[in-house]
Amino acid sequence: GEDVEQSLFLSVREGDSSVINCTYTDSSSTYLYWYKQEPGAGLQLLTYIFSNMDMKQDQRLTVLLNKKDKHLSLRIADTQTGDSAIYFCAESGATNKLIFGTGTLLAVQP
Amino acid sequence: NAGVTQTPKFRVLKTGQSMTLLCAQDMNHEYMYWYRQDPGMGLRLIHYSVGEGTTAKGEVPDGYNVSRLKKQNFLLGLESAAPSQTSVYFCASSHTGSSYNSPLHFGNGTRLTVT
Repeated sequence: GEDVEQSLFLSVREGDSSVINCTYTDSSSTYLYWYKQEPGAGLQLLTYIFSNMDMKQDQRLTVLLNKKDKHLSLRIADTQTGDSAIYFCAESGATNKLIFGTGTLLAVQP
Repeated sequence: NAGVTQTPKFRVLKTGQSMTLLCAQDMNHEYMYWYRQDPGMGLRLIHYSVGEGTTAKGEVPDGYNVSRLKKQNFLLGLESAAPSQTSVYFCASSHTGSSYNSPLHFGNGTRLTVT
């Protein structure tokens, strides 16, 4: 079945880079997504990558996709305290519904 | 433009009680979804709807019912609440099925505790 896995927690210092990793199982996924959840709020789409791309850069965010290993990563450059949140990886599975990972809590230390 | 609004924000139920969670969206979206979020398990899809008058089961539908009588509203019902249904419930909507140009828009969640 479809499964998306992430590590549960990452702690970084302000100004450092953060790398959040995700593995998925459905090789037919067309798009892979990163959503951000701030405390007490719902999820918001942060960025996405099409499955035929290896990399996508959007300001401080870099998404890397290794389709062979089914591995997705989100790099946040110059991490700020406002980046503290839970980050969810998601894939568009065979049924075109999103399958979410477990979420990674990013804690940014000042 | 309110987006996706969920009511109530918090609720405590006793085992066996019933309740309905309301989700309303003002973006004229066709698709609506109910997820539950539990620690270490991410978001799991309970039920969804691809248009007014339609509903379909998601990953964890047991113990829940839904209705989509109006396009803008999607109701989630618990007929006989159980402690295992303690969770944070999120409603979401999208213009079409989820894709990069039709992302999910989420409400702020309903925190439900069943004692």
